[in-house]
Amino acid sequence: EAGVTQFPSHSVIEKGQTVTLRCDPISGHDNLYWYRRVMGKEIKFLLHFVKESKQDESGMPNNRFLAERTGGTYSTLKVQPAELEDSGVYFCASSQDRLRQQFFGPGTRLTVL
Amino acid sequence: AQKVTQAQTEISVVEKEDVTLDCVYETRDTTYYLFWYKQPPSGELVFLIRRNSFDEQNEISGRYSWNFQKSTSSFNFTITASQVVDSAVYFCALSDPSNTGKLIFGQGTTLQVKP
Repeated sequence: EAGVTQFPSHSVIEKGQTVTLRCDPISGHDNLYWYRRVMGKEIKFLLHFVKESKQDESGMPNNRFLAERTGGTYSTLKVQPAELEDSGVYFCASSQDRLRQQFFGPGTRLTVL
Repeated sequence: AQKVTQAQTEISVVEKEDVTLDCVYETRDTTYYLFWYKQPPSGELVFLIRRNSFDEQNEISGRYSWNFQKSTSSFNFTITASQVVDSAVYFCALSDPSNTGKLIFGQGTTLQVKP
């Protein structure tokens, strides 16, 4: 069974540009989570999907971040326009239901110059 | 508010030493789950254990053991006879299943095991 995959693994962009991160959860996992770790700090929750619906987006930093999960399969996280403080590692995780363990992807390392 | 504190930022030990990683949490909920994840140099987060708030039994899995004490709100992780392959960042996390199951992480402890 394939694990959670994320694309790209690394992205380097300039301030003001747009970047889209993609997450493919484990097949059959309705719950999909996005998290972010800024350098040296804790991993912070961004938002949670159940199928295609956003259940909790309380962790989204501001309206420059837009997450979608059309069709309830893969998800994208777009940052537009990117700022320096958006640099960090963005993790995606999926689970069969919210009581079970979350399986994490390898993360996307975003660097905004 | 929920919070997880891992006071040890970095720990360095020599192979075969035992090492304990501390985790203290805060929550007002009576039902919750605690987790430990390992992040090796390759970057992905690897699930190690989940413990629910009603089960205070300690758990042992090979060289790994966990000590959950509700009285002190702690969920410490011990590696016995550490090995170089144990070198990684270890995260403790708290989940509130009554909401969305989102995880609240500590800042992580970087463990370096030297040969």
